[in-house]
Amino acid sequence: GAGVSQSPSNKVTEKGKDVELRCDPISGHTALYWYRQSLGQGLEFLIYFQGNSAPDKSGLPSDRFSAERTGGSVSTLTIQRTQQEDSAVYLCASRPDGSDTEAFFGQGTRLTVV
Amino acid sequence: GENVEQHPSTLSVQEGDSAVIKCTYSDSASNYFPWYKQELGKGPQLIIDIRSNVGEKKDQRIAVTLNKTAKHFSLHITETQPEDSAVYFCAASITDKLIFGTGTRLQVFP
Repeated sequence: GAGVSQSPSNKVTEKGKDVELRCDPISGHTALYWYRQSLGQGLEFLIYFQGNSAPDKSGLPSDRFSAERTGGSVSTLTIQRTQQEDSAVYLCASRPDGSDTEAFFGQGTRLTVV
Repeated sequence: GENVEQHPSTLSVQEGDSAVIKCTYSDSASNYFPWYKQELGKGPQLIIDIRSNVGEKKDQRIAVTLNKTAKHFSLHITETQPEDSAVYFCAASITDKLIFGTGTRLQVFP
């Protein structure tokens, strides 16, 4: 009965390097979301996956950001050529099928770009 | 696309008083409105939700009201306690897309 798992919990990287953030959703959940939370700010929608449908990428801030979801389960958010403004907590959530169900969040990955 | 506005951004109350947080949404097709509580260093957790066919829902000290005509919904916390101190987020869901408000930092002083 594990919840949503994110790794790493903390990541410090140098400006210009690429990073990969991982999300393991709750088993059986068809919907998976990525959000970005800058210090003291709200939850900024980035991307979501629903089953085998094409992902909704409308929240990705630039083409340096991309995400994949393999086999309908694990997802990876990749940020290329990181910038200092990418520093934030990246939160993943998963949800059972349906538009009126609870979304369960992971603990987040705190990314710091130095 | 859907846009959710949330007010106030910060709220300070005395223990035992009530707290009210308000949200408005833009897309009338939104049909699900959850509220999440986020404690320091943790991911948000659902505290209550309401669907578009219901006008009010209550769970112990918390209640949510929905006005579909005006496209706004509110969270009410009564008899606040210090452990209610956290950041609260409203959200609106249209199909599967879940859009959050900007958050309210609630502080309850003993």
